[in-house]
Amino acid sequence: DIVLTQSPATLSLSPGERATLSCRASQSVITRYLAWYQQKPGQAPRLLIYGTSTRATGIPNRFSGSGSGTDFTLTISRLEPEDFAVYYCQHYYLSRFTFGPGTRVDIK
Amino acid sequence: EVQLVESGGGLVQPGRSLTLSCAASGFTFDNHAMHWVRQAPGKGLEWVAEVSWNSGDIDYADSVKGRFTISRDNAKSSLFLQMSSLTTEDTALYFCAKAGPYSLDSWGQGTLVTVS
Repeated sequence: DIVLTQSPATLSLSPGERATLSCRASQSVITRYLAWYQQKPGQAPRLLIYGTSTRATGIPNRFSGSGSGTDFTLTISRLEPEDFAVYYCQHYYLSRFTFGPGTRVDIK
Repeated sequence: EVQLVESGGGLVQPGRSLTLSCAASGFTFDNHAMHWVRQAPGKGLEWVAEVSWNSGDIDYADSVKGRFTISRDNAKSSLFLQMSSLTTEDTALYFCAKAGPYSLDSWGQGTLVTVS
């Protein structure tokens, strides 16, 4: 099974700064199978990006995804106050989903 | 607007059973696979089970296989998770989620299951 590793575990930034979150897979994955979610305290996860780089409906364009092979990145170009949350990457294979451990983006 | 509303969670003793439900609205339920995902307190996300649109394909995480049963009633736009032989490791917030393109594009708010 593919294992996803996310780094850093915690990212401390200020509003307006750029956030770069990494997701590494234990083996090469198909790009359309890689997604990102945002989860705020007490809320359900929200799909941000699917297929490595396609924004989900209603997601602002400050969120972007990229990558291939084993290395994938979620970038938030300029952090807004509502962006401080936990972010998970996800891999899909044969109807099963695997999630990374998450990166917490908190206010510096 | 897609809405997924889970129910049925609660406090249950180890070894007992519990059934969760998810009521769906705002989309054509029988066009989509549905999933259960759980999150232990303070932990990350763990995929639990999947049922295809017509219940023809069903799959489970190894951690619940043989103990949990996922099912759906398309006539009632409802998803279910029957859980048996529960252990403390099953304590979690259980989300139902709608399948999107190789992702989960809508989630309910979750129902909490506490095994103690």
